[in-house]
Amino acid sequence: QQQVKQSPQSLIVQKGGIPIINCAYENTAFDYFPWYQQFPGKGPALLIAIRPDVSEKKEGRFTISFNKSAKQFSLHIMDSQPGDSATYFCAASGMGGADGLTFGKGTHLIIQP
Amino acid sequence: DGGITQSPKYLFRKEGQNVTLSCEQNLNHDAMYWYRQDPGQGLRLIYYSQIVNDFQKGDIAEGYSVSREKKESFPLTVTSAQKNPTAFYLCASSRTNQETQYFGPGTRLLVL
Repeated sequence: QQQVKQSPQSLIVQKGGIPIINCAYENTAFDYFPWYQQFPGKGPALLIAIRPDVSEKKEGRFTISFNKSAKQFSLHIMDSQPGDSATYFCAASGMGGADGLTFGKGTHLIIQP
Repeated sequence: DGGITQSPKYLFRKEGQNVTLSCEQNLNHDAMYWYRQDPGQGLRLIYYSQIVNDFQKGDIAEGYSVSREKKESFPLTVTSAQKNPTAFYLCASSRTNQETQYFGPGTRLLVL
């Protein structure tokens, strides 16, 4: 089974700090790498996504770094706020996402005031 | 108001019973997906459909069935063959060949 390995499982950061969540994949056919944010009892919401032809993408306080040779990508949250406390999932897919996403197991992030 | 709706929010299943979860979207998306979420397991793909009257099994399709008779609707049936159905079920949709999947609010299924 194709896998995406996500770490850490949980993370506590002080307000203003920069939490970093890492993901690694095995399938070289993956060509789309989104990050989702999920609050308790809600569906995941897309935060930011990247394709392998770029090494970094920024949207607001969220940045994805992508290392194609290492088959790794990570999410950085700048100037983190208590409202960023949520579960974050990385995911990957091939065929531009048409065949469904393979998700990491999630990171429970807590931003302390 | 555009989006994806799932109903009911909570669903209780008795032993040996089939139950159906509803998913409707008014985004005019061609592709629809069903995922199962368990604590500490992330989301796992059950079934997906790229077009009306066509669907494919995902990673954990055993014990589930789907239909896609209309573009806007993709119901999921949890059959009695699914021995561990307690989970949070999420429906998603996307435009054909577009990567962004939009998720509904989910249905929590519990076994009595």
